[in-house]
Amino acid sequence: GAVVSQHPSWVICKSGTSVKIECRSLDFQATTMFWYRQFPKQSLMLMATSNEGSKATYEQGVEKDKFLINHASLTLSTLTVTSAHPEDSSFYICSALGNSPLHFGNGTRLTVT
Amino acid sequence: AQSVTQLDSQVPVFEEAPVELRCNYSSSVSVYLFWYVQYPNQGLQLLLKYLSGSTLVKGINGFEAEFNKSQTSFHLRKPSVHISDTAEYFCAVSADGGSNYKLTFGKGTLLTVNP
Repeated sequence: GAVVSQHPSWVICKSGTSVKIECRSLDFQATTMFWYRQFPKQSLMLMATSNEGSKATYEQGVEKDKFLINHASLTLSTLTVTSAHPEDSSFYICSALGNSPLHFGNGTRLTVT
Repeated sequence: AQSVTQLDSQVPVFEEAPVELRCNYSSSVSVYLFWYVQYPNQGLQLLLKYLSGSTLVKGINGFEAEFNKSQTSFHLRKPSVHISDTAEYFCAVSADGGSNYKLTFGKGTLLTVNP
């Protein structure tokens, strides 16, 4: 079946550095990818919607200059957390939509020290 | 805009017992409804979805859900649970709009199955 690969699965970085998370659709072309953030024991909050070749649409309250999203090809979207701070520590999950129903990656656990 | 309420944050049950996880939604337009399962430190796996047609939807792992438009509910049920069903379960809605899969999630229900 359709698979979405998210990399890395976990990352620890120092405050002030930037971290890039990749989301790849392995066997289908994803015209749209979604990025979610999940705090411990809470639901997924949609951060942004990205369409291949165009600028991402961010949800209200999400800083687009801090969370840079690039969807340069039909199989790859990246989320870069710039100048990360401890409050950015969270579980980030992507999902990809092609002709098939939505498929989720396995998430990235980001810890900022 | 849509919203989802999962009435129980935690549901403990014994193995082989039946379980119902409750979900209510609100929306000014027609919606698609989904149930997802999340195991620790993993992404989400689709259990089942309601798009149209029969209001009783059967999914994977023996789960089923019933769409009740008048009560704006989409409760998830399983007649006999296993230890391996222990996980977080999320109800989600998406506005009816063809390929619109922009999901709004509930806060989740932690199902714990005890031996």
